[in-house]
Amino acid sequence: NAGVTQTPKFQVLKTGQSMTLQCAQDMNHNSMYWYRQDPGMGLRLIYYSASEGTTDKGEVPNGYNVSRLNKREFSLRLESAAPSQTSVYFCASTMPARAFQETQYFGPGTRLLVL
Amino acid sequence: ILNVEQSPQSLHVQEGDSTNFTCSFPSSNFYALHWYRWETAKSPEALFVMTLNGDEKKKGRISATLNTKEGYSYLYIKGSQPEDSATYLCASLNAGNNRKLIWGLGTSLAVNP
Repeated sequence: NAGVTQTPKFQVLKTGQSMTLQCAQDMNHNSMYWYRQDPGMGLRLIYYSASEGTTDKGEVPNGYNVSRLNKREFSLRLESAAPSQTSVYFCASTMPARAFQETQYFGPGTRLLVL
Repeated sequence: ILNVEQSPQSLHVQEGDSTNFTCSFPSSNFYALHWYRWETAKSPEALFVMTLNGDEKKKGRISATLNTKEGYSYLYIKGSQPEDSATYLCASLNAGNNRKLIWGLGTSLAVNP
């Protein structure tokens, strides 16, 4: 049982390049999330998917797109990377048990550097 | 966006000391308060999810209390050990956020041996 996995672990991009961050979970969770974490700032939600087939914007969606490929996989795409997108990206998933008691299970993170 | 605040920002204690820190969150339309432990170079791991006013939860030497009327939660660590060194995050779930947690910035704890 791997939990939440993310690839790649680390990536360097040049400004304007595109890339897709992959996330997969094997816990049969319904909801999946993409966060970014920057020094001096809390975890900020980029996009989330409450269930397969749905996606919604979070706090900081600009410059990103997502795809909920199936129940297991939720990818984050940077179409034209900018230095401001240098960050650590975390994917998380939850299985709503009782309403609003949703422990988030996090992946190991992807460190992205945009030059 | 509702704010969640944690204090202190950082804390240095000696091994064996007991310590506590605070999470302040919006008390209106409150649903749940989460505590996570985040070690350097790892990902956040859940400690507690608390929903009821007066709730108290315990996991080993770590415990937490919840006051939903005034909007605060305390996290206590009894007899701190070096392996407790981590950032402790809290996050609040309130109505209107569509099941999105609002995260605090964390309290960074360093336990010196």
